[in-house]
Amino acid sequence: GESVGLHLPTLSVQEGDNSIINCAYSNSASDYFIWYKQESGKGPQFIIDIRSNMDKRQGQRVTVLLNKTVKHLSLQIAATQPGDSAVYFCAENPHAGNMLTFGGGTRLMVKP
Amino acid sequence: DAGVIQSPRHEVTEMGQEVTLRCKPISGHDYLFWYRQTMMRGLELLIYFNNNVPIDDSGMPEDRFSAKMPNASFSTLKIQPSEPRDSAVYFCATGDGEAFFGQGTRLTVV
Repeated sequence: GESVGLHLPTLSVQEGDNSIINCAYSNSASDYFIWYKQESGKGPQFIIDIRSNMDKRQGQRVTVLLNKTVKHLSLQIAATQPGDSAVYFCAENPHAGNMLTFGGGTRLMVKP
Repeated sequence: DAGVIQSPRHEVTEMGQEVTLRCKPISGHDYLFWYRQTMMRGLELLIYFNNNVPIDDSGMPEDRFSAKMPNASFSTLKIQPSEPRDSAVYFCATGDGEAFFGQGTRLTVV
């Protein structure tokens, strides 16, 4: 029979545009959040993290926003490049250093 | 540091055989995690260790799965006997706050 897998939401953007990837997390007790990037055939790669006492954190070309009121996390990528094409996962952690729970992921496709 | 090292990168085995996956963590990281990734279920945490001690193995699917961490430099995930539904990519990750992943072992059980 036909297999049914996770349907990854896909975001398609033009090279040079900004990308925003969203994530809803489930545990109001989570106090630490991470965004990961996973390219085909590779393990998830740490991009940026944020603790619950912050609502914004910036890295190189990436910004993470945290809205604890609605349990929402977003990753903004500025000037998206073809090398940014990957699946992006958010992960939450009720206590830093303990188990991470991953979201289902969003596939980012960058059109040249 | 070379990062988290997993071996083998690919494993094809017949149903019923024992499979052992290996992980060398990043030196100094107190936590080690084993994850499984499939199209059906995404990334699932199987078990994690803190200072070589198993802390939570509630994600281990059944008794056929076992994991050990005999020292701070090495961990194994064993499946005995393996079944086709165990086919997945298995990741080891280590960290002390965040988690850094290895490249994974792609397991195919035929």
